[in-house]
Order: sequence, then structure tokens, then C-alpha cells
Amino acid sequence: AQSVTQLGSHVSVSEGALVLLRCNYSSSVPPYLFWYVQYPNQGLQLLLKYTSAATLVKGINGFEAEFKKSETSFHLTKPSAHMSDAAEYFCAVSDGPGGYNKLIFGAGTRLAVHP
Amino acid sequence: GAGVSQSPSNKVTEKGKDVELRCDPISGHTALYWYRQSLGQGLEFLIYFQGNSAPDKSGLPSDRFSAERTGGSVSTLTIQRTQQEDSAVYLCASSLNYATNEKLFFGSGTQLSVL
Repeated sequence: AQSVTQLGSHVSVSEGALVLLRCNYSSSVPPYLFWYVQYPNQGLQLLLKYTSAATLVKGINGFEAEFKKSETSFHLTKPSAHMSDAAEYFCAVSDGPGGYNKLIFGAGTRLAVHP
Repeated sequence: GAGVSQSPSNKVTEKGKDVELRCDPISGHTALYWYRQSLGQGLEFLIYFQGNSAPDKSGLPSDRFSAERTGGSVSTLTIQRTQQEDSAVYLCASSLNYATNEKLFFGSGTQLSVL
């Protein structure tokens, strides 16, 4: 069975500081990994995805994530936080090639950005 | 419409009543998903429809929950004899197909409150 663990339900950073949101996964098959973001009063939208091509994946709004198989991690980073980045972020895993598309989500990390 | 549409956006019901939640996926999307988002719990997978195949119901929490998808399009999630612990946001998502790297498009959800 697949699972995702997001370390830290709440993260607070200063504007301009590094953003690091942690995600570790467990999967019995080579996984595909995703980060989704939920802005206040909006639906979830895809931020970026890893599908076994490059291990460093770039997404929208300056975010990127690196797949590290040895650490079973897929942490999300952004060099410089902006106030508009305040949102809830969800890491998710699905079966990789040959599997089928059922996403298992982590519990989410709420990011607060203060001036 | 251009996105996934869910109705109603809010539903307040009394304990013991039945409720129906509706999802209109993006036209042409063959895969449809229901998730439940509870406070502090993240997104919990409920059920997944994949074209004409039998749905994956492995996430339904009890036999009070059921879902159907008519004509490969609109889906209805039914909760019978609602309980207070059923209070949550119910999210519907669709994707173009069931490939494991496909992006999910989420609706804005139905906020269910069971009194």
C-alpha cells in the first residue's frame, strides 16, 4: 500500500526566506509523485509532478521538488517566499508506470508567510 | 463548463437524514474521483471511476456511503443515515484518462455539516 507523510502541519516563514515543505512516501512500486496547492477559498491545483524523468522537477510560481529514491522523499522548495504563497500544500503519490491513477494524499502542510 | 462543478456548495442536514452530492466532471474526462477533506485529516480517498470499468470503492468508510456515475459523466455520492462524523468537505476531481501521470482537476467541493 502507498502512503505519504508530510512533516509539519504548519510552517511559517518570513517573506523572502527559503520555503521547505517535507514529504516522504512509501510505495511498493516505482511511484509518481505530485504536489498540489490549495489557495484560500479555491480548489486544489497541480503545482508540479515527478513521473520518472528528471529527478528535479520545476513547477509553477517558482517552486521545485527533488525526487530522492534513497531517502524516499519529495520535498518542495522555493528560494524566496512571497506573501501570495500562503496556502495549504499537499503531497501525493500514485502508482508509477503500469499502475492506475489513484492518488493518495498526505495530510497537508499549511504555509504562512509573514512580512 | 470549463471546470469540475459540484453541487450544492454547502449542505446542512440533520443526523440520520440521507444526502446526495453531485459532481459534473470536465467534458471528455474518463476518470472521476471522490475525496473527503476533514479538518486536520488531509484528503481521504473515497472512490474512483475509471471509464466503464468497475469502480474502486476501497476508500468508502462504511456501507452508508455509495456512489454512481451515470453515462460516464455525472456522478452522485450518497450518504445514508448521516452521522456527525460525516461532516467534511467532499471533493470531486476528474482527469482526462486513467494514466498514472495525469493531472487531476478538482472542484470547489461540497461543505457538508451534519447537526
